[in-house]
Amino acid sequence: SQTIHQWPATLVQPVGSPLSLECTVEGTSNPNLYWYRQAAGRGLQLLFYSVGIGQISSEVPQNLSASRPQDRQFILSSKKLLLSDSGFYLCAWSDHGDGYTFGSGTRLTVV
Amino acid sequence: AQSVTQLDSQVPVFEEAPVELRCNYSSSVSVYLFWYVQYPNQGLQLLLKYLSGSTLVESINGFEAEFNKSQTSFHLRKPSVHISDTAEYFCAVSELRGFQKLVFGTGTRLLVSP
Repeated sequence: SQTIHQWPATLVQPVGSPLSLECTVEGTSNPNLYWYRQAAGRGLQLLFYSVGIGQISSEVPQNLSASRPQDRQFILSSKKLLLSDSGFYLCAWSDHGDGYTFGSGTRLTVV
Repeated sequence: AQSVTQLDSQVPVFEEAPVELRCNYSSSVSVYLFWYVQYPNQGLQLLLKYLSGSTLVESINGFEAEFNKSQTSFHLRKPSVHISDTAEYFCAVSELRGFQKLVFGTGTRLLVSP
């Protein structure tokens, strides 16, 4: 069966520090991968999606970047965090169009 | 482009009462529709989905949703809620064709009290 792992679960980082959040999927090949951010009291905003290794599409201009070094690995990064980067980050995957499976999320607090 | 509107940010209800969480969508093409549930500090879990066929879809824990194309709605209902149903519920839509990209509503917090 397919599973998705996302870590860490919580993270507190100072402003200006780098960020790396990792997401891996098991039990499927060539999945579509997604990074969403959920800010307090707001819905989910799609940040990046990827249809294959090295293929990244950005939905909104921001302080973050994404990479897909392997088929089932999706990484969210920042060189210098801003206070506004705080939020709940969710990784998700889909295969053939009938919905996403989400990871358990990472709560990022930038202080 | 698609969009989703969840008009109710919060719905308080007593245990064993019925509930309806409203969802309306906008799209120029045919769509898939989804409801996800999120418990505190957790990821989203798929509750139910409409892809095709019967317009009434059900989940294993008693929720149901009906796709109404003329009203562009996909409201979520449960005839009798439990305390454990307290969570945030998100409606989402994606286009039938092309790359699947889910667009989410802003969510409705369901608060069930005894």
